[in-house]
Amino acid sequence: EDQVTQSPEALRLQEGESSSLNCSYTVSGLRGLFWYRQDPGKGPEFLFTLYSAGEEKEKERLKATLTKKESFLHITAPKPEDSATYLCAVQMTSGNTPLVFGKGTRLSVIA
Amino acid sequence: GAGVSQTPSNKVTEKGKYVELRCDPISGHTALYWYRQSLGQGPEFLIYFQGTGAADDSGLPNDRFFAVRPEGSVSTLKIQRTERGDSAVYLCASSSTGGKSYEQYFGPGTRLTVT
Repeated sequence: EDQVTQSPEALRLQEGESSSLNCSYTVSGLRGLFWYRQDPGKGPEFLFTLYSAGEEKEKERLKATLTKKESFLHITAPKPEDSATYLCAVQMTSGNTPLVFGKGTRLSVIA
Repeated sequence: GAGVSQTPSNKVTEKGKYVELRCDPISGHTALYWYRQSLGQGPEFLIYFQGTGAADDSGLPNDRFFAVRPEGSVSTLKIQRTERGDSAVYLCASSSTGGKSYEQYFGPGTRLTVT
């Protein structure tokens, strides 16, 4: 049973066309929810950590939000360089524990 | 400062051979993780070290996989009698201990191909 589900699997946007990526989770005892960006042939690059429902974090054209069941990654006026796979992961319990990842959303931004 | 480094970046080996993959974490990070990522999938947990000891090895798929971290810094993932199904990108991550933040920072990965 999947604990972390990301949708859509792939998203194609025109430059400047804002949209949102979804990450839903079915775990208890959530300690934190993480968003990563992964470019082809590279390791995941850390973007945000969210710890509690209602929390929001922003970085350039990206804004991440968290509810009790899901997180959204909002992309405002995207540029071609935002094209990448965006991974969501959850960490359960406390302390340093492994992350459980979703399969990711492949974002393509067309000029 | 330097990030997580992994060597080699690519490894091609024949079925049945033994391989070692190396991870050098961010200096001062006490926690180290190994993940495996197949095409089109998110990373999957293999093993986690806190210091020199394996705190959780529940993700290792079978006893052909083993990892060590003898001095609490560099770690080596060892795979015996490789199989074609072991082909994947092996990712290493590290994080610090203490405080509220436990972000894991990833290396570039080692792409393993078993022929």
